[in-house]
Formats: sequence, C-alpha cells, structure tokens
Amino acid sequence: DQQVKQNSPSLSVQEGRISILNCDYTNSMFDYFLWYKKYPAEGPTFLISISSIKDKNEDGRFTVFLNKSAKHLSLHIVPSQPGDSAVYFCAARGLYGGSQGNLIFGKGTKLSVKP
Amino acid sequence: DGGITQSPKYLFRKEGQNVTLSCEQNLNHDAMYWYRQDPGQGLRLIYYSQIVNDFQKGDIAEGYSVSREKKESFPLTVTSAQKNPTAFYLCASSKGQGGFYGYTFGSGTRLTVV
Repeated sequence: DQQVKQNSPSLSVQEGRISILNCDYTNSMFDYFLWYKKYPAEGPTFLISISSIKDKNEDGRFTVFLNKSAKHLSLHIVPSQPGDSAVYFCAARGLYGGSQGNLIFGKGTKLSVKP
Repeated sequence: DGGITQSPKYLFRKEGQNVTLSCEQNLNHDAMYWYRQDPGQGLRLIYYSQIVNDFQKGDIAEGYSVSREKKESFPLTVTSAQKNPTAFYLCASSKGQGGFYGYTFGSGTRLTVV
C-alpha cells in the first residue's frame, strides 16, 4: 500500500506562472516531509522540507504547505522558470515500524515549464 | 568538495552474473542507503545501514546484498537471483536519519542486463 502518493504524473506550466505540485499521505506517523528535484540520469537533489509541527516553510521561490488534517502537502514554485523542468519527488520520514527513520518516496511528478 | 560518488555510471551485465555497484561518500555521514528507480515507480528502498558493520533490508531486498565495512563505503551486489535487475540505482547518505535536510544522493548507476 502506497503511503506517499503523487497523483499527477505530469504538470505543464507557462514560464513566470505558479507551479503547484501536490502530495498526499496515508500515515500520520511521519515527522518530516521533503521535496526533491531530479533531472534525467542524475540523482535527486534536496529542495525544501517541513516539520510536521509546521504548516509552511519558504525558501526563495519555493514554498511548501502542509495540511495535516487533510494529510496533504504541496510545493509552490513562483515564478516558474524553464530550468525548473524536472521530476519532483515528495518524501516523508517514518516515525515508527519498519519505516522508522527512513524516507518513503512518492512516484514523482514531471514538471514542464514552457518559455 | 564533499559528496557521494557512484561508479560506474553505466553497467552491463549478462544474465546469471553477479555485479557490484560502488558507493563512496566523504561527507562523514553515518547512514547510507540504496534505492532503485524504475519508470513510473518512484524510488524504492533496497537496503540501508545506520552504522558500520550493520545493515537492514528495505522493501525490495530480494536478490541483492550489501556490506558496510567502512563508514565511507556501501557497495551493492546485484546477484543472479534478482529476476529483473535492469534499473537506475541510487545511493544516498545522511547525517543521522536525515530529517530536516534529508539525504544526499549520488548521480546513479544505470544497470542493463544484456
């Protein structure tokens, strides 16, 4: 059963507009949520994270929002740039059980920013 | 510059052969991880190690083996028992359990069975 879900496999946005990437989770036993960016044939790079006790974290053009009651987080990129075109992975760190301390990844959303 | 190095970048294996993927880090990180990426499947955890001489199975450990004899190194062996080894393999490391700052990933090894 997938604990971290990214239901949109792809997203296309015009340059300069806002990109919103979504992620849902089914398990309340996560303490951190993270976003990674990945280019083809490269390893993922850490983008931004949020603690489960916060509801927003901002870093430059990137903002992550956490809605615990809905078990939903989102990544906002404003303004979007062509260089943001990549696959974005949502991840969550498990607190208990077999996933304790490990990151669980979603399947990714491919973002395309058109000039 | 500190980082995590995976080698080789591309690897071809004949059916029935074992192959070993290298992963080295000079970040002084305690924990290391191996993930596998398949198209449309995201990243799936194969093995992880929180400390030298200790490692644990992840979600898809069957057909793989690892060792952690040194803090800097965490090689992954893909054995002939792995039925579908063609994939992109990613090694990662973290200070502690990688909460707020997550994991640092290598650039990956693409393994193809020929």
